[in-house]
Amino acid sequence: DVKVTQSSRYLVKRTGEKVFLECVQDMDHENMFWYRQDPGLGLRLIYFSYDVKMKEKGDIPEGYSVSREKKERFSLILESASTNQTSMYLCASSTDRGRGETQYFGPGTRLLVL
Amino acid sequence: SQQGEEDPQALSIQEGENATMNCSYKTSINNLQWYRQNSGRGLVHLILIRSNEREKHSGRLRVTLDTSKKSSSLLITASRAADTASYFCATYTGRRALTFGSGTRLQVQP
Repeated sequence: DVKVTQSSRYLVKRTGEKVFLECVQDMDHENMFWYRQDPGLGLRLIYFSYDVKMKEKGDIPEGYSVSREKKERFSLILESASTNQTSMYLCASSTDRGRGETQYFGPGTRLLVL
Repeated sequence: SQQGEEDPQALSIQEGENATMNCSYKTSINNLQWYRQNSGRGLVHLILIRSNEREKHSGRLRVTLDTSKKSSSLLITASRAADTASYFCATYTGRRALTFGSGTRLQVQP
């Protein structure tokens, strides 16, 4: 079974802090994705990566950056956390058969920025 | 605006009844997928239907796709309390990545 893990289930940070969210997958998937989920808005794509050291902006990249130094690990960075970044963050991965193939999700990180 | 929009936003049924959720989208797609999310958890893939397919089954799930109407439906037959979750459709247009709708919250009363 594909396993996608996220470093924290719950996180509380202060405004202005630098925040790192880590995601690791164990199925040698080429594609990895970061979403945020807010009530009534569904999942919105922040960034995705289709190869090591490669990244592409999603629909809402402002205020975020990403890092993919190893194939299995995709990190989301909030350079200076703000209260409007309080949200559920979901990481996902998929194979290279196409970016539209099945995505496998981690359990999510619920981030509260005070 | 969202590529995929689910309808209804919320649905409450009794155990044993069928549940139907609909998804409409705006532009041509390569495939459409349905995912389930239990409260506070990640999403789990249920089924993928490609643009040249009209219907697909998986256990108690039946998905239809009507590309002329740009819509899809997910039918869960003989629902169980464990089916209580949010259900999302996601579309792939060949560009970038999947686009998710805002979901249907299904409550199955025991």
